Amino acid sequence: GENVEQHPSTLSVQEGDSAVIKCTYSDSASNYFPWYKQELGKRPQLIIDIRSNVGEKKDQRIAVTLNKTAKHFSLHITETQPEDSAVYFCAASKSFGNEKLTFGTGTRLTIIP
Amino acid sequence: EAQVTQNPRYLITVTGKKLTVTCSQNMNHEYMSWYRQDPGLGLRQIYYSMNVEVTDKGDVPEGYKVSRKEKRNFPLILESPSPNQTSLYFCASSFGWRTPYFGPGTRLTVT
Repeated sequence: GENVEQHPSTLSVQEGDSAVIKCTYSDSASNYFPWYKQELGKRPQLIIDIRSNVGEKKDQRIAVTLNKTAKHFSLHITETQPEDSAVYFCAASKSFGNEKLTFGTGTRLTIIP
Repeated sequence: EAQVTQNPRYLITVTGKKLTVTCSQNMNHEYMSWYRQDPGLGLRQIYYSMNVEVTDKGDVPEGYKVSRKEKRNFPLILESPSPNQTSLYFCASSFGWRTPYFGPGTRLTVT
């Protein structure tokens, strides 16, 4: 089955700096890659996603890049703010739906004021 | 208001005592699934359902059962809970290709 590896497991950055979280996947048939943010004590919430026919997608301070050849994708957060502190999960799926969504192990991001 | 609800939100039980965690969504979503979240392991899919009476195993189905008799409900059943099933459980639903929307979570402790 699919295996998703996520690095780093913890990340601390100064407020205003950029943060990058990287994920690799094993199944070349995977074609959908969402990113979730989970604040302490709350449910995971989708922040951005990308499909395999797109190499990059941006939404304000957040961007995701995908390298299908290398089977890795990354989350980039620019101009980080204290409210960006959370656990971030990447995931991969062979479909655009919910049948088999495999998650990474998460990255705890801490923004230092 | 569109939502996924889970009950109970917190549960402490003893080994071997059958329990059910309910999940309900009011968005008419076709897809529903259950995940467990453990420190250092992320979110792992237990079971999923693509429609009424259609369910399939996820990555960690052992010790769990599900049923989908109605489109809105997807209960998770632990017939004989064990301490290694102590975890945070999330139900999720989605419509077609869209990304799952998670419920608020159920924290289960099995002693």
